[in-house]
Amino acid sequence: QVQLQESDPGLVKPSQTLSLTCSVSGGSISTGGYYWTWIRQHPGKGLEWIGYFYYTGSTYYNPSLKSRVIISVDTSKNEFSLKLSSVTAADTAVYYCVRDSRRGLFDYWGQGTLVTVSS
Amino acid sequence: DIQMTQSPSSLSASVGDRVTITCRASQGIRNDLGWYQQKPGKAPKGLIYATSSLQSGVPSRFSGSGSGTEFTLTISSLQPEDSATYYCLQHNSYPLTFGGGTKVELK
Repeated sequence: QVQLQESDPGLVKPSQTLSLTCSVSGGSISTGGYYWTWIRQHPGKGLEWIGYFYYTGSTYYNPSLKSRVIISVDTSKNEFSLKLSSVTAADTAVYYCVRDSRRGLFDYWGQGTLVTVSS
Repeated sequence: DIQMTQSPSSLSASVGDRVTITCRASQGIRNDLGWYQQKPGKAPKGLIYATSSLQSGVPSRFSGSGSGTEFTLTISSLQPEDSATYYCLQHNSYPLTFGGGTKVELK
């Protein structure tokens, strides 16, 4: 059974870089065909797709965040990461790491981690 | 970006009722539409992919239909455990986009 677990950065100061890691267990992140994805949810609001890292090495980011986002994979640790730079209070959200097995078929989710941007 | 509009934003129904939620896309997305269920404090769970394909383990009382720009999620007989917020997701083109959600409550 595949399991995903986000790290817990908690509080991030405005203008800093938000860094999150997702540890994958029960399967190899190197296995072909999966989009390793981040999705966020602002408090009390809907879901926002952030982007993915595909096993071939390609990435795609939501244009609304593109200039600030990097998603990468560390196969040696079987984990993938999200970096979001120049954060503001508008980036306060629950961040989910997700395995997408067929463009929009989100079959495994982390439990989510609340990241608060505040000084 | 493709905008997804869900209606209603909330509804209240009784156990056993038939419930229908609608999702409209700002442009045609063929049948590239999924549905997710989210309970408070939990990650979303996949229900349906590609308009009408039930994901593994999803009860058969859930069904989906539609094509192009208008889609529906139907719960044929509402159960207490179906109380949740439901989101549609277009997976036709990037960036993938979700509807605003429909909160389903039991009377």
